[in-house]
Amino acid sequence: NAGVTQTPKFQVLKTGQSMTLQCAQDMNHEYMSWYRQDPGMGLRLIHYSVGAGITDQGEVPNGYNVSRSTTEDFPLRLLSAAPSQTSVYFCASSFAGRTEAFFGQGTRLTVV
Amino acid sequence: GQQVMQIPQYQHVQEGEDFTTYCNSSTTLSNIQWYKQRPGGHPVFLIQLVKSGEVKKQKRLTFQFGEAKKNSSLHITATQTTDVGTYFCAGRNYGQNFVFGPGTRLSVLP
Repeated sequence: NAGVTQTPKFQVLKTGQSMTLQCAQDMNHEYMSWYRQDPGMGLRLIHYSVGAGITDQGEVPNGYNVSRSTTEDFPLRLLSAAPSQTSVYFCASSFAGRTEAFFGQGTRLTVV
Repeated sequence: GQQVMQIPQYQHVQEGEDFTTYCNSSTTLSNIQWYKQRPGGHPVFLIQLVKSGEVKKQKRLTFQFGEAKKNSSLHITATQTTDVGTYFCAGRNYGQNFVFGPGTRLSVLP
C-alpha cells in the first residue's frame, strides 16, 4: 500500500518555466489537497478537491492550476514559475475533508 | 478569515523534561487535529479532537481541547530524542477546510 505518492522529490526551475507536480493516492480517498510549506508559516492550502471533476481554491491559489480527472490523481500545475513559488509542496488525501490527512513525501521546488 | 496561532515557535528541552505547545484559533472550531513532522519529513497525523474539554492520551502525549473549542494543547511527558520535530495543530471551522498553525519546533538535547 503506497499511500500518497508525489513526484518529483526535487526540482529546479527557471523563472517563467512551467511544470506539473504529480500526486497519486491508492486509498480511494475522495478529498485531496495541495499545500505549500514555507519557513515559519506552516502549511497553506493552495487548491483542494472533494472528488473527481470537482476542484476549488484554497488560501493561496494564485499561479497554480489543478484538475481532478480521476479519484487517484491530483496534479498541480505551475503555469509560469516565479521565485516566490520556491517552497516545499505537499499533497495530501483523506477519506473526507474532516478526517485524518495522509501526506506525500513532498516536492522541494526552487525557482531561480 | 480564520487564523490559527501556536506558541512557542521554538522549544529546546533537555531529554527527560516535559514539553507543551499551545494552539489558539480566532474562531470556534468544530474539530482540531495535531500532526508531527520530523526534520526533512512530511506531516504525520497524531490525533483529532472534536468535543469541548476533550482530553486524549497516547503514551507520553496528552492532547486537550478547550472548553470553548478555540484552543488546544499538546503535552509531552519526559521527552525523548525521538520526539524531535515540528508539531502542527490544524483547526477546522464547521464545513470549512482545516487551517494549519505555524508549528512549534521541538529540539531535545541528550
